[in-house]
Amino acid sequence: AQSVTQLGSHVSVSEGALVLLRCNYSSSVPPYLFWYVQYPNQGLQLLLKYTTGATLVKGINGFEAEFKKSETSFHLTKPSAHMSDAAEYFCAVSVAGGSYIPTFGRGTSLIVHP
Amino acid sequence: GAGVSQSPSNKVTEKGKDVELRCDPISGHTALYWYRQSLGQGLEFLIYFQGNSAPDKSGLPSDRFSAERTGGSVSTLTIQRTQQEDSAVYLCASSLAYGLGTGYNSPLHFGNGTRLTVT
Repeated sequence: AQSVTQLGSHVSVSEGALVLLRCNYSSSVPPYLFWYVQYPNQGLQLLLKYTTGATLVKGINGFEAEFKKSETSFHLTKPSAHMSDAAEYFCAVSVAGGSYIPTFGRGTSLIVHP
Repeated sequence: GAGVSQSPSNKVTEKGKDVELRCDPISGHTALYWYRQSLGQGLEFLIYFQGNSAPDKSGLPSDRFSAERTGGSVSTLTIQRTQQEDSAVYLCASSLAYGLGTGYNSPLHFGNGTRLTVT
C-alpha cells in the first residue's frame, strides 16, 4: 500500500520569500503524485500532478514540484510567496494496479507574513 | 455549474438525530468519493463509488454511516443517530476514473464541503 508523509504541519514564510513544502511518499510501484490546495471554507483544488515523463512539473499560481525517485520525494516550491498563497496544502499519491483511491497526506498550513 | 456541488453547506443537528448530506458530481465523472476532514486531522477516506457500486466501504467509521449513489450521479451520505464526534467537514469529490492506465492519474474535483455540527 502507498503512503504519504508531509513534513511540518505549519510552514511560515515572509512575503517574497521562497516557499518549500515537503512531501515524501512510499510506494512499491511507480506512483502518480498530486498537490492540492485548500483555501478557507473551500474544497481542495488541484495545483499540479506528476504522472510520467518530465520530473519537474509546473502548476498554477507559480508553483512547481520535482519528482525525485531516489529520494521518494515530491516537494512543492514557489520562488516568491504572496499573501494570497496562505492556505492548506495536501500531497497525494495513487498507484496503477491499486484502487482508484488516492492517499492524502495530513496537510501543511502555509502562513505568509507581510 | 460545472463543478461538484454539495448541500447543505452547513448543518447543525442535535445529538441522536439522523442527517443526510448530498453530493452532485461533475457530469460524466464515474468515480465519486467521500472524505471527512476534522480540525487538524487531514483527510479521512470514507467511501468510494465506481458508477453506482461501492467497491470499498472500508473507511466508514461505524454502521451508523451509509452512502448510496443512484443513476451514476447523485450520492447521499447518511449518518444515523449522530454523535458529537461526527462533527466535521464532509467533502465529496469526483473524477474520471475509468479503466486501467487511465483512471489512476485522474485528479479529484472537490466540492466545498458540508460543515456538520452536532450539538
